[in-house]
This record gives sequence, structure tokens and C-alpha cells, in this order.
Amino acid sequence: KQEVTQIPAALSVPEGENLVLNCSFTDSAIYNLQWFRQDPGKGLTSLLLIQSSQREQTSGRLNASLDKSSGRSTLYIAASQPGDSATYLCAVKGDYKLSFGAGTTVTVRA
Amino acid sequence: NAGVTQTPKFRILKIGQSMTLQCTQDMNHNYMYWYRQDPGMGLKLIYYSVGAGITDKGEVPNGYNVSRSTTEDFPLRLELAAPSQTSVYFCASSYGAGTNGGYTFGSGTRLTVV
Repeated sequence: KQEVTQIPAALSVPEGENLVLNCSFTDSAIYNLQWFRQDPGKGLTSLLLIQSSQREQTSGRLNASLDKSSGRSTLYIAASQPGDSATYLCAVKGDYKLSFGAGTTVTVRA
Repeated sequence: NAGVTQTPKFRILKIGQSMTLQCTQDMNHNYMYWYRQDPGMGLKLIYYSVGAGITDKGEVPNGYNVSRSTTEDFPLRLELAAPSQTSVYFCASSYGAGTNGGYTFGSGTRLTVV
């Protein structure tokens, strides 16, 4: 059974600092890994999708890396802003479903 | 371009009542899913469907039922609501297993059972 862990559970940083969010998974037989953002009381917004054959994906200030053999992914957010405050969820795709971590709740202080 | 649409957005049920959460997608995805999210927890899979007429249980199916009569629709039925079913429910869709496509989620249904 796939287990996905996200550390830390919560993170508070001053505006402008770079964010580093970690995700680990136990079964390396995945098709892809997806990072989502969730604002309080809202749904999930897809940020980045990394295929199993890829090492990283970038979108604007966001960069996600994937090391499938070691079961790790890292989401980097450069020059954080208060608008980046949210919960970030990591999910890995197996044969038929996504397995989710519990998320990292980020607060960026102005 | 609606994506995945869920209704209702909010609902309060009394213990023992029943209801159906609606989900429809317009992307012609063959796979559809129902997840629940409890506070501080990751999303747990309730049921999924790989195509019209085919459904299967996920990690936490007890107390729920689903049907998939069309590609577009995947309703979730609660027959006898219990306080343990208080949660936020998300419907999602994707292309099939073995593909590299990502998932698209609906905006969620917040359900409270009192």
C-alpha cells in the first residue's frame, strides 16, 4: 500500500524567503506525482505534474523535483509572498488512484 | 470549460437521513473518483470508476454507494447518514490508468451530519 508523507506539517516564513516542501512515498512504481494547492474551505488546484520519467518541472516561481528511486519529491517556491499562504498537497498516481499526503500548511508573514 | 462540477456545495443532514452528492465532468475522462477529506488528514478514496457501468471500492467505502450510468456522471449516495460521515467530499476525474495525465478536482461538498 502506498504511503505518502509530507514534512513539515506546518511552516511559517517571512515574506521573501524561499520555501522548501518535502514529500516522500513508499512505492516507487508510480506514473506521476502531482502537487496541489488548497486554500481554506476551497478545492484543490493543480500546481505541477511531474511524469515518472522526469526529474523536475517548473512553473514561474515554482519548481518541483522528483527522485523516484528514493521515493522523494521537493517543491520549491522562490521569493514567497503572503498570497502563497495555503496548504500544499503532494499526490502520487498508481494504477488507478492518487495517494495523498496530509499536506504542509504554509503561512507567509508580511 | 466547466471541468468537474459538484453539487451541492454545502449540506446539513440529520442522523439517518440519506442524500446524493452529484458529480459531472465534461472532459470525456474515463476514470472518476470520490474522495473524502477530514481535518488535518490527506484525502481518502471512497469509490472509483474506470468507465460507465464499472465501479469499485476504495479505502473507505462503508456507508456509501455509487453508480456510473454515463461517462459524465458519478453520483455518491449516503443511505443512513452518521456523524462519522461529516467531511468534505471531492469528486475528481482523469484519463485511465497507465496514462500520465493528471487529475482534475471539483470544488467540493462540505457535509455536516448532526
